[in-house]
Amino acid sequence: NAGVTQTPKFRVLKTGQSMTLLCAQDMNHEYMYWYRQDPGMGLRLIHYSVGEGTTAKGEVPDGYNVSRLKKQNFLLGLESAAPSQTSVYFCASRRGPGTGDEKLFFGSGTQLSVL
Amino acid sequence: AQSVTQPDIHITVSEGASLELRCNYSYGATPYLFWYVQSPGQGLQLLLKYFSGDTLVQGIKGFEAEFKRSQSSFNLRKPSVHWSDAAEYFCAVGPLTGNNRKLIWGLGTSLAVNP
Repeated sequence: NAGVTQTPKFRVLKTGQSMTLLCAQDMNHEYMYWYRQDPGMGLRLIHYSVGEGTTAKGEVPDGYNVSRLKKQNFLLGLESAAPSQTSVYFCASRRGPGTGDEKLFFGSGTQLSVL
Repeated sequence: AQSVTQPDIHITVSEGASLELRCNYSYGATPYLFWYVQSPGQGLQLLLKYFSGDTLVQGIKGFEAEFKRSQSSFNLRKPSVHWSDAAEYFCAVGPLTGNNRKLIWGLGTSLAVNP
């Protein structure tokens, strides 16, 4: 039972390069989230999705784009990486509304460094 | 403004000692409250949650938390700490209803356990 899988686990980019982080969940969850975690800043929501084909902005969306073409996958893109995007990125998922289960399932994170 | 405050950034306890991690929140509606734990290099895992009923809730790994509406608090406790409890602990609050169910996170409390 894989749960939430993030790839890659580590990545180093040069300023201006682009990349895509992949999040895959095998629990048929409706909701998916992308967070970034920085020292002293806690978890900050970048973008989220409440279902296949839908996305919405979180607290810190600038410089990122997302897509949810398939229910099980949520992609986070950096079009032109900046040093300020050096962070640990976490994907999370949960069941949809009305299920009575608010538990978030997290991936193990992607450590991204932008030089 | 909605917020979650974890007053203690870092706590050190001896193995076998009791533990209390504080969480205070400011939230306009009836909240859904959570404690998550993050072991080094890992994603977050749900310890326990509360939205109604008995104000003392039991979670995994021997943790419990008490909801005190009058104090806007949801403190996490454990009677006897084990070395494996060393981790980062996050309190979060979210809405009981709504389509996005975005959580507001505290900045975390880092727990160290002395042998």
